[in-house]
Amino acid sequence: AQSVTQLGSHVSVSEGALVLLRCNYSSSVPPYLFWYVQYPNQGLQLLLKYTTGATLVKGINGFEAEFKKSETSFHLTKPSAHMSDAAEYFCAVSDPNNAGNMLTFGGGTRLMVKP
Amino acid sequence: DTGVSQDPRHKITKRGQNVTFRCDPISEHNRLYWYRQTLGQGPEFLTYFQNEAQLEKSRLLSDRFSAERPKGSFSTLEIQRTEQGDSAMYLCASSPIGGPRTYTEAFFGQGTRLTVV
Repeated sequence: AQSVTQLGSHVSVSEGALVLLRCNYSSSVPPYLFWYVQYPNQGLQLLLKYTTGATLVKGINGFEAEFKKSETSFHLTKPSAHMSDAAEYFCAVSDPNNAGNMLTFGGGTRLMVKP
Repeated sequence: DTGVSQDPRHKITKRGQNVTFRCDPISEHNRLYWYRQTLGQGPEFLTYFQNEAQLEKSRLLSDRFSAERPKGSFSTLEIQRTEQGDSAMYLCASSPIGGPRTYTEAFFGQGTRLTVV
């Protein structure tokens, strides 16, 4: 079984400050890892993913995340927050051995950006 | 192609009524997924289809829920005898099929928000 824990259901940063959203996972096999963003009343949009290869992955809108196997973490960062980054962010995992590629999501972190 | 389309966007129903939602995936996407997202939580997997075959169902999918994908195109999710606990956002996603141990991105629709009163 897989599970995802996102530490901090709400994170508030000032515009221009560093964004750090935490994600830890539990999985019996090395998983695929994802970050999704959800704007109000919208579906989910993929920000970035890690499947294999380089453990530091870059995504859209200046976000990046690093897979740390020893820490079972996949934290999301952005050097400088923008007002438009205010949204809900979800970390998710998938079992590479499961052909269906179903996603297991964390509970989400709402990012608020103060002017 | 306009992406994954879900209809309706919002549905309010009385407890005990049946409701049906529709999802139109991105054309030529073989896989179609249904997820449920309750307020303040992350989405939870319900079921998925590969073409017209329903290949996996979550334990969350009680016998009041049924999903179909006739002809491997659009899909419907029906909830019978709705309960207040069914109030949630129902998200549909679609993806192409990749090779072994290959992840293919799932694209999500905007969801159908169900309110049971």
